[in-house]
Amino acid sequence: SQTIHQWPATLVQPVGSPLSLECTVEGTSNPNLYWYRQAAGRGLQLLFYSVGIGQISSEVPQNLSASRPQDRQFILSSKKLLLSDSGFYLCAWSSGVDTGELFFGEGSRLTVL
Amino acid sequence: QKEVEQNSGPLSVPEGAIASLNCTYSDRVSQSFFWYRQYSGKSPELIMSIYSNGDKEDGRFTAQLNKASQYVSLLIRDSQPSDSATYLCAVNQMKSGYALNFGKGTSLLVTP
Repeated sequence: SQTIHQWPATLVQPVGSPLSLECTVEGTSNPNLYWYRQAAGRGLQLLFYSVGIGQISSEVPQNLSASRPQDRQFILSSKKLLLSDSGFYLCAWSSGVDTGELFFGEGSRLTVL
Repeated sequence: QKEVEQNSGPLSVPEGAIASLNCTYSDRVSQSFFWYRQYSGKSPELIMSIYSNGDKEDGRFTAQLNKASQYVSLLIRDSQPSDSATYLCAVNQMKSGYALNFGKGTSLLVTP
């Protein structure tokens, strides 16, 4: 069966510090991968998606970036965090078809102080 | 940005009652629809998917889809306190790598 893991689960970072969140999927190959953010009181916002190794598409302009160095690894990064980057970050995977369901990792809660 | 709209609630129902959650969407090309449950502080988990007009039942859950009205609903029968959570409606965007577009969710409280 397929599983998805992301880490760290919780982190508190000062403004201007770097960020790296990592996500890995097991039990499937060539998944579509996604990073969403859920800010307090707001819905899930799609940040990035990837349909293959090295292929990254950004949905919103921001100071975050994403990379996919391996088929089942997805990384979210920032060089300098802003207060507005605080939120609950969720990695997800799907089989990449129009009927495909999305499955989420456990989430990473980021607080920028 | 195509929208997915849900009443934020909270929707309060007594234990054993039927909870009815509703969702409307604006993008007519959408063909796939999903309901997720999210407990406080946790990630969303998929509970139902529906692709065709009509009803789809899975245990105590029934999803209903009306593409002409652009309306999706979720019924929870025999509601239990453990059903208390936020329920997210999601629609396949048919773009962006088939990412899902989520509503902001409806908070459900089942009281003993």
